[in-house]
Amino acid sequence: KAGVTQTPRYLIKTRGQQVTLSCSPISGHRSVSWYQQTPGQGLQFLFEYFSETQRNKGNFPGRFSGRQFSNSRSEMNVSTLELGDSALYLCASSDVGTSWADTQYFGPGTRLTVL
Amino acid sequence: QQPVQSPQAVILREGEDAVINCSSSKALYSVHWYRQKHGEAPVFLMILLKGGEQKGHEKISASFNEKKQQSSLYLTASQLSYSGTYFCAPGYYGGSQGNLIFGKGTKLSVKP
Repeated sequence: KAGVTQTPRYLIKTRGQQVTLSCSPISGHRSVSWYQQTPGQGLQFLFEYFSETQRNKGNFPGRFSGRQFSNSRSEMNVSTLELGDSALYLCASSDVGTSWADTQYFGPGTRLTVL
Repeated sequence: QQPVQSPQAVILREGEDAVINCSSSKALYSVHWYRQKHGEAPVFLMILLKGGEQKGHEKISASFNEKKQQSSLYLTASQLSYSGTYFCAPGYYGGSQGNLIFGKGTKLSVKP
């Protein structure tokens, strides 16, 4: 099976702009989780989607949003970019997203740099 | 609820062994272990489930102590390819969907 894919791999934006990142999960997986990784804060959960519904959301401002399509592909959007949004954005797919028993497989990530 | 990992960093020579610990303040149902190399995404190593079932990697083993609410990852006869940062993420039964809470990581460096 093909792994999780994310596009684009690298992005450079300026403050105030918005950005959309895309994630295609492993075939058959219905849950997609998004994480932000920075050197200072580590891996932090953004949100999780299952069957086109957001089931869970982390502690991030409303500028961070996402959605999932009927084919389980997911996008996340960050509006009004700030310098602190520079990070590696990772998506992870799993079968049903049961965090205590299901395995999450990560994509290669999108490296976002905000200037 | 973030787990505590120890040590924060360890340096080994090829062939040496290492143990990485992960402690939780809550009762665990499972523990996930990942390794991340610099500039890459985390790679799943294994998941340990309550009751002893282990799914994952062949060359790296782990234990799960429910009473102590902790897990340990054992890397034996380390190879250069073992270098990276190791993360644990506890699974709490009935916990929030799709949300793995990762520890701060243990940086492992294997030297020739």
